[in-house]
Amino acid sequence: GAGVSQSPRYKVTKRGQDVALRCDPISGHVSLYWYRQALGQGPEFLTYFNYEAQQDKSGLPNDRFSAERPEGSISTLTIQRTEQRDSAMYRCASSQLTGVGNTIYFGEGSWLTVV
Amino acid sequence: AQSVTQLGSHVSVSEGALVLLRCNYSSSVPPYLFWYVQYPNQGLQLLLKYTTGATLVKGINGFEAEFKKSETSFHLTKPSAHMSDAAEYFCAVSANYGGSQGNLIFGKGTKLSVKP
Repeated sequence: GAGVSQSPRYKVTKRGQDVALRCDPISGHVSLYWYRQALGQGPEFLTYFNYEAQQDKSGLPNDRFSAERPEGSISTLTIQRTEQRDSAMYRCASSQLTGVGNTIYFGEGSWLTVV
Repeated sequence: AQSVTQLGSHVSVSEGALVLLRCNYSSSVPPYLFWYVQYPNQGLQLLLKYTTGATLVKGINGFEAEFKKSETSFHLTKPSAHMSDAAEYFCAVSANYGGSQGNLIFGKGTKLSVKP
């Protein structure tokens, strides 16, 4: 696609429910990243993939959070048993290649509110 | 460990005035530094980046930033503000020397307002 696409844009869920956030990166982009941004804060790294391989998941806050990219394109970030502290914007990004010479393109984000 | 500090969560300037957004970083290895901008209802967009070489980096929309190692700073400037510059600006440093750009450490952001 023309840009990084995320869905849903807005999600309100009840505490304890599972949530899946979807990211469709720019076509052909090798690397895909997930970030989380709380109100008044900058984006915080969660995890990233090269193709289908999860390269770094050091930013995932606990084992309720998981991500996959099974075919090296679309990715899903899943939060199980959501808690109110999970409320934030979740940003997906992609780059054509990995490495600092490559520009990262961000999507518009998915706003998650846990009530 | 690496970190980024952006001085001033809100900055207001008049149209035509100089824009100066401050960013200081902490890094135990030579850093790669970035400025991103977020316009309302849009995703983050890369303004400019410093990796190696020339310490004065020029970006889009007339912005530039200078890497000053002695001051551990990477301040963002624009000589003359335009109304369309109103947005939130984020400074970031790479977490892994020479590694993926993915593991970026962001500052908290500075919201820029431009008065007519």
